[in-house]
Amino acid sequence: DAGVIQSPRHEVTEMGQEVTLRCKPISGHNSLFWYRQTMMRGLELLIYFNNNVPIDDSGMPEDRFSAKMPNASFSTLKIQPSEPRDSAVYFCASTSLGAGQETQYFGPGTRLLVL
Amino acid sequence: GENVEQHPSTLSVQEGDSAVIKCTYSDSASNYFPWYKQELGKGPQLIIDIRSNVGEKKDQRIAVTLNKTAKHFSLHITETQPEDSAVYFCAASRADGLTFGKGTHLIIQP
Repeated sequence: DAGVIQSPRHEVTEMGQEVTLRCKPISGHNSLFWYRQTMMRGLELLIYFNNNVPIDDSGMPEDRFSAKMPNASFSTLKIQPSEPRDSAVYFCASTSLGAGQETQYFGPGTRLLVL
Repeated sequence: GENVEQHPSTLSVQEGDSAVIKCTYSDSASNYFPWYKQELGKGPQLIIDIRSNVGEKKDQRIAVTLNKTAKHFSLHITETQPEDSAVYFCAASRADGLTFGKGTHLIIQP
């Protein structure tokens, strides 16, 4: 298995631009998580999906952030408009909830820099 | 919600010595406790985990202990090697989702 795939690996954009981060979970996993990592706040859960349905989005910073999971093999995290304080590494992780497994497998991350 | 505290934030040990990282959690309903290792430029990778019905688990040079009564768990790395240098995260989980500690930067001195 290729593991969790994220794209792009690096993104540099200007304040006000729209940013879209993409994630392909491990095949067969039914849950997908989006995290943000910064030096100050560590790893923060933004949102997670179970069977493509958003379950908990309480970690999403504000309305500028949105996430979708149109099918079991693809999810996007969108920031519109982006701001310098959104600069961070964004991770996607997947697992099989409900099957006795809680181990989350992380992708390599997208390093976002908003100028 | 769950709150996970992790100490120390930075740990420097001599190669060959042992390293211990400690975490506490707040929600007694948490029943799964994984540890992740994150190397520079990579995503966190699971290295060991423990469930609430077990007090200790070992895998070669790494071990994890859990004290449910005190709500704390620890990661032990013996005979440390240069490749153990990384950031280590503990986490606690209930039925869904993980709450992570802030991480420990482990430095192995040659």
